[in-house]
Amino acid sequence: NAGVMQNPRHLVRRRGQEARLRCSPMKGHSHVYWYRQLPEEGLKFMVYLQKENIIDESGMPKERFSAEFPKEGPSILRIQQVVRGDSAAYFCASSPSREPPGAFFGQGTRLTVV
Amino acid sequence: KNEVEQSPQNLTAQEGEFITINCSYSVGISALHWLQQHPGGGIVSLFMLSSGKKKHGRLIATINIQEKHSSLHITASHPRDSAVYICAVREPGGGADGLTFGKGTHLIIQP
Repeated sequence: NAGVMQNPRHLVRRRGQEARLRCSPMKGHSHVYWYRQLPEEGLKFMVYLQKENIIDESGMPKERFSAEFPKEGPSILRIQQVVRGDSAAYFCASSPSREPPGAFFGQGTRLTVV
Repeated sequence: KNEVEQSPQNLTAQEGEFITINCSYSVGISALHWLQQHPGGGIVSLFMLSSGKKKHGRLIATINIQEKHSSLHITASHPRDSAVYICAVREPGGGADGLTFGKGTHLIIQP
């Protein structure tokens, strides 16, 4: 799973700022999943993307959160106007196809909102 | 939506003991994953199962599709096995396209 690269590993933002989290999938993988792990809670699905398409965003909060996976470059999870409740670990996983879904995880980005 | 329950939530054992972690789910699945998360938080996929049993080193994972239950076993446990073990399931067809996760089992192996 070392092939899925997330950066930064740690990110500190003040309330109201924007957070941008990056995920480079493993080579040859065109399917990317984002998950959020809140303190003392399990991982929760946020969004599933293929190159240039959002396939399923049913786990994304309706406001302030967006994700993209452009033709070139990493997938980006963007959180606008961060609040303290956004503090969590955000994990990306990639897969070469839709089935089975990504279980090749990155190391995560730990977002702290102060 | 699938409900994934793990037991126990916390487990402390002595080095060398045989460890069993259980996972139950409520709706039929196409695959089940066992994941390991170490302190500091990186996640490693240990197994993906759709039936039967898999073994890798000291780790064994089994699944009973009819009973909607899976177990992860660790033989000859070692302090480096201390981690959170997470069960995750994938539903066939509809629903969220990602995995649904249990809350994890916190395992501590004491020397």
